[in-house]
Amino acid sequence: KQEVTQIPAALSVPEGENLVLNCSFTDSAIYNLQWFRQDPGKGLTSLLLIQSSQREQTSGRLNASLDKSSGRSTLYIAASQPGDSATYLCAVRSTLGRLYFGRGTQLTVWP
Amino acid sequence: SAVISQKPSRDICQRGTSLTIQCQVDSQVTMMFWYRQQPGQSLTLIATANQGSEATYESGFVIDKFPISRPNLTFSTLTVSNMSPEDSSIYLCSVEEVVWETQYFGPGTRLLVL
Repeated sequence: KQEVTQIPAALSVPEGENLVLNCSFTDSAIYNLQWFRQDPGKGLTSLLLIQSSQREQTSGRLNASLDKSSGRSTLYIAASQPGDSATYLCAVRSTLGRLYFGRGTQLTVWP
Repeated sequence: SAVISQKPSRDICQRGTSLTIQCQVDSQVTMMFWYRQQPGQSLTLIATANQGSEATYESGFVIDKFPISRPNLTFSTLTVSNMSPEDSSIYLCSVEEVVWETQYFGPGTRLLVL
């Protein structure tokens, strides 16, 4: 069974820092990987989707990379802002279509 | 991208009662899912809501406890039956516009059972 781990569980940084959030998965036979953002008490917002054949995807200040062979993905946030404060979730889709979620990294960016 | 709404956004219920959660999508979608997120935990898939047929439930979830309806391609309901405090969670509706591609989520229904 696929297991998805996110490290760190929580992160608190001052505004302006560049951040790296990590996601690891145990089975490298994946279809794609998706990063989400979840604000307190809210649903999930899709940030980036990386296909298994891709190495990275970028959207604005966000860059997600994928190393399928080592079972790792990173989400890079450039020049962090207080509005980036949220929980970031990584989800891996298996080759059978099932989605496996990590527990998330709770990010706090203080002014 | 699909826009999903859920009703109610939150509720406080007494044990033994039932609550029906509605999910409305602004476009027709084939794949619709219900997830549960317990406090401090990640998301767990409850079932896939199939239009015109019974929902497909994941291990540990049964139809008597979580009956699901999917009358058309834009709407679904999840009922949490005979609730206990252990059912206190966020319940999330989710869709895929293209099968196995980007998954979209509703705002969630925060349920507290006393």
